[in-house]
Amino acid sequence: NFMLTQPHSVSESPGKTVTISCTGSSGSIASNYVQWYQQRPGSAPTTVIYEDDQRPSGVPDRFSGSIDSSSNSASLTISGLKTEDEADYYCQSYDSSNREVVFGGGTKLTVL
Amino acid sequence: QVQLVQSGAEVKKPGASVKVSCKASGYTFTGYYMHWLRQAPGQGLEWVGWINSNTGGTNYAQKFHGRVTMTRDTSISTAYMDLSRLRSDDTAVYYCAGDRGTLKFDYWGQGTLVTVSS
Repeated sequence: NFMLTQPHSVSESPGKTVTISCTGSSGSIASNYVQWYQQRPGSAPTTVIYEDDQRPSGVPDRFSGSIDSSSNSASLTISGLKTEDEADYYCQSYDSSNREVVFGGGTKLTVL
Repeated sequence: QVQLVQSGAEVKKPGASVKVSCKASGYTFTGYYMHWLRQAPGQGLEWVGWINSNTGGTNYAQKFHGRVTMTRDTSISTAYMDLSRLRSDDTAVYYCAGDRGTLKFDYWGQGTLVTVSS
């Protein structure tokens, strides 16, 4: 089965830049789009990046997404960190072989 | 504006079934797939399956095959997820999420806590 692996946690200071990785277990991560969701405690997730690198309206351009086929991974980069960015972040894609939506395990971002 | 409003929290005993509803408004219900996902306490997101709100066709995660049934009532723009033979590890917040067929979640419900406890 296709799986997505994320670091359990990352931390960085306000104003800095952080990158969260999402590595595919097999095949090509580029075969299907990757989305990134932000989830604050007690709330439903919201989309911050869709289709690898697209930002929904209302999401600041401090958020960006990319795909690196050589490492079979996707990345979410947040620049100019703010304390309000502190949340859990999940990558999501699709396992075409098993016809299942897959999520990474989530990364807890701490801004301190 | 788009809203997905889910039914309220449930407490069930092991072996019982639970049915969660998700009422959509603000968009054409039959133009979207409705996914169901869950999140156990302190854990990550887990996909349960989807229903094509137009045709009623379904696709379930292998893990839930035989225990989950997704249905919809287009007359009231509502989707349902029925999970049977509940176990304690089914305790989670269950979310519905709308998808235009692009395998990404455009809209989310507020979540429904299902607690399985004897």
